[in-house]
Amino acid sequence: GEDVEQSLFLSVREGDSSVINCTYTDSSSTYLYWYKQEPGAGLQLLTYIFSNMDMKQDQRLTVLLNKKDKHLSLRIADTQTGDSAIYFCAESLHNAGNMLTFGGGTRLMVKP
Amino acid sequence: NAGVTQTPKFQVLKTGQSMTLQCAQDMNHEYMSWYRQDPGMGLRLIHYSVGAGITDQGEVPNGYNVSRSTTEDFPLRLLSAAPSQTSVYFCASASDYEQYFGPGTRLTVT
Repeated sequence: GEDVEQSLFLSVREGDSSVINCTYTDSSSTYLYWYKQEPGAGLQLLTYIFSNMDMKQDQRLTVLLNKKDKHLSLRIADTQTGDSAIYFCAESLHNAGNMLTFGGGTRLMVKP
Repeated sequence: NAGVTQTPKFQVLKTGQSMTLQCAQDMNHEYMSWYRQDPGMGLRLIHYSVGAGITDQGEVPNGYNVSRSTTEDFPLRLLSAAPSQTSVYFCASASDYEQYFGPGTRLTVT
């Protein structure tokens, strides 16, 4: 089974906040990532958080990490139609060559 | 910097044919990897490398070979293509904590 799990779909109205959730199982994860994939495109690194942090903010993006519950979330403030995409969370182990294990992706749809 | 480049962008193969997907990076990253993405799924790791001359298997290595003779290049070889290898293939390179992806190669095996 998957080590990283995400809900499949999220729909929000333009201007609202979006919260995309992710759970992971490997407690030795070193870094946790959020990637964005637009249709037909590659993956764009949005942000990442080191496992000894519990929050990171970067402009409209806020990442929250609950290490006890192995829960990661990405909050997008003032969501825009250009934010419509698939969002992947991923975990890496520094002692495994930084290879990533991905969740299945959450498709965010932003309605005008 | 061009970042991570992949060629070709699209490829159609017949069952049993072989080919090499090219990947190059100009960021002097030690870590490089290949993933495949199937419809509605996340990426799965095929092979990875932690430096020139060193490669290892990921989650789904069967049917693929890699080599890493230089820091810059990490080609992925399909030995005898099968329809199950129809997918989008992404190459990535990583520094200590940031992993960057190429634009992908869309492969169809008929």
